[in-house]
Amino acid sequence: EADIYQTPRYLVIGTGKKITLECSQTMGHDKMYWYQQDPGMELHLIHYSYGVNSTEKGDLSSESTVSRIRTEHFPLTLESARPSHTSQYLCASSEHPTDTQYFGPGTRLTVL
Amino acid sequence: GIQVEQSPPDLILQEGANSTLRCNFSDSVNNLQWFHQNPWGQLINLFYIPSGTKQNGRLSATTVATERYSLLYISSSQTTDSGVYFCAVVSGGKLIFGQGTELSVKP
Repeated sequence: EADIYQTPRYLVIGTGKKITLECSQTMGHDKMYWYQQDPGMELHLIHYSYGVNSTEKGDLSSESTVSRIRTEHFPLTLESARPSHTSQYLCASSEHPTDTQYFGPGTRLTVL
Repeated sequence: GIQVEQSPPDLILQEGANSTLRCNFSDSVNNLQWFHQNPWGQLINLFYIPSGTKQNGRLSATTVATERYSLLYISSSQTTDSGVYFCAVVSGGKLIFGQGTELSVKP
């Protein structure tokens, strides 16, 4: 099974707080991704990276930002959390050349 | 962009029954994956299957790329098979997901 980790698994936080969701993988994959998923709904790509110092916005507009300073690490930051950010956030990485993606366990974020 | 449609949207089975889930896509693809999302929200890779047939225990999948569909077969279903099954295809370097099939297996 894939070695991709996310912390925290669950987070309940008040409006206006700054938060960082961590994602790391030990497979040496160049490509990494962040998805947002509301309960019972499909996944939406919000950010992706094709390698160190590369970040792009995905198909769903998001107020979050990401960084990719190291290959294995792809954190997502919300500068000022709002209740509309309540969702599950899933991180993934993909292997070359098939682009097969592997997912972390997810972070369930609740903003009060 | 490419469209991915799954059917049925919901499925209720009695334990031990078999089922077939379908995934249609609107354009040629080089990568198709099936995932199972468990009740805790984690996405588990089931198959990477851009074409042909693969089997893993009680699960098997077939993709007919020329006709732009894939099928996931679950035999002798168990309660632990419950959850949402997603198919996804790679387009422009990104994974495009279908809306999922929610499966509930009753004891």
